[in-house]
Amino acid sequence: IQMTQSPSLLSASVGDRVTLSCKAGQNINNYLAWYQQKLGEAPKLLIYNANSLQTGIPSRFSGSGSGTDFTLTISSLQPEDVATYFCQQYNSWTTFGAGTKLELK
Amino acid sequence: EVQLVESGGGLVQPGRSLKLSCAASGFTFSDYNMAWVRQAPKKGLEWVATIIYDGSRTYYRDSVKGRFTISRDNAKSTLYLQMDSLRSEDTATYYCATHADWELWYFDYWGQGVMVTVSS
Repeated sequence: IQMTQSPSLLSASVGDRVTLSCKAGQNINNYLAWYQQKLGEAPKLLIYNANSLQTGIPSRFSGSGSGTDFTLTISSLQPEDVATYFCQQYNSWTTFGAGTKLELK
Repeated sequence: EVQLVESGGGLVQPGRSLKLSCAASGFTFSDYNMAWVRQAPKKGLEWVATIIYDGSRTYYRDSVKGRFTISRDNAKSTLYLQMDSLRSEDTATYYCATHADWELWYFDYWGQGVMVTVSS
């Protein structure tokens, strides 16, 4: 299943509300996860089952959507949120999106 | 604290073999399905293989079937990836990761990764 993330690069300011998009090539129900990967580090699980926050992740991160269209929202961007964000479907085997790189404006 | 520490990477010529290891600690390794996920330089993530908690079943992406073998030693809390007939397109950082759920294939813990470069 093809996963398409947009935009590929996003510039935002500290305190901004940021929205990242992920579209699946077919219905994946709610079987979607979001990961954050900082430069030189391993990915970190943020959200699973489209909208469930992983333990220990700040509440400014939230996920929404169902079917084919999903969104990761950061309610108030912090400097430590600079990273690349990947979505992953696990409805049929598993595939990842190409990522959205989030930088500070 | 959950720890996954990969080792065994390096530079290898096309057609040769390499075996990766992932030493696990901080959790009951034998209770978890485990996976290898890779990331080519400046590219996205790609699932490679999964092994069920007791080693009874394995799953592979098509591009590595017949060349890679995932295995585990629950007594040693160690995951392995035997990579044969390596190709340049296998060049990537390889991460071991825990399946967060027995049936749902998302990954909650990741190692720091090990680099594999396939080049002559």
